Amino acid sequence: GDSVTQMEGPVTLSEEACLTINCTYTATGYPSLFWYVQYPGEGLQLLLKATKADDKGSNKGFEATYRKETTSFHLEKGSVQVSDSAVYFCALIGSNYKLTFGKGTLLTVNP
Amino acid sequence: KAGVTQTPRYLIKTRGQQVTLSCSPISGHRSVSWYQQTPGQGLQFLFEYFSETQRNKGNFPGRFSGRQFSNSRSEMNVSTLELGDSALYLCASSQTPTGEGNNSPLHFGNGTRLTVT
Repeated sequence: GDSVTQMEGPVTLSEEACLTINCTYTATGYPSLFWYVQYPGEGLQLLLKATKADDKGSNKGFEATYRKETTSFHLEKGSVQVSDSAVYFCALIGSNYKLTFGKGTLLTVNP
Repeated sequence: KAGVTQTPRYLIKTRGQQVTLSCSPISGHRSVSWYQQTPGQGLQFLFEYFSETQRNKGNFPGRFSGRQFSNSRSEMNVSTLELGDSALYLCASSQTPTGEGNNSPLHFGNGTRLTVT
């Protein structure tokens, strides 16, 4: 079945550092790929998405590119802020029409 | 526009009891999905309803059930509670079913925290 593997955290960075959270997937066909963010005590919010190969999703300074050849969708940000501290989930919707999540990566940004 | 509303926010139950959780989707959204979030298993899909019909389901035992009403509000029920059912239960709504249309985004509620003792 479909699966998503993302780098385990926690990840701790200083403000203005560069961020990369790795995500790879296994799915049949051509899934749509997503990054969701969960702030403490809240539900998940869609951060960005990409629906076909070589698409780049972007939002709030975060970017991720759909790489079919490496089945990856790594999340990047050039300069993180304290307010970016949250749990980040990579996810996909595959041919079974289910949203499948990775385990999540906790990011803490220190001032 | 009001977001996805889940009630109650917190629940404490004992083993063997049953529980009902409620979810009110964003106005105009006809799809409602439920997810279980635990530290060990992460986020796992329970089921999805669209226009009062169960459209998809995950790999959970029959103790987990749900329904959707004509106003798109949804409830999920867990019978004969076990300690392992302790989790954050998240509901999400969208305009179209998951994976159809242009993958209209899922909007999540803040969840119901269920503790089974």
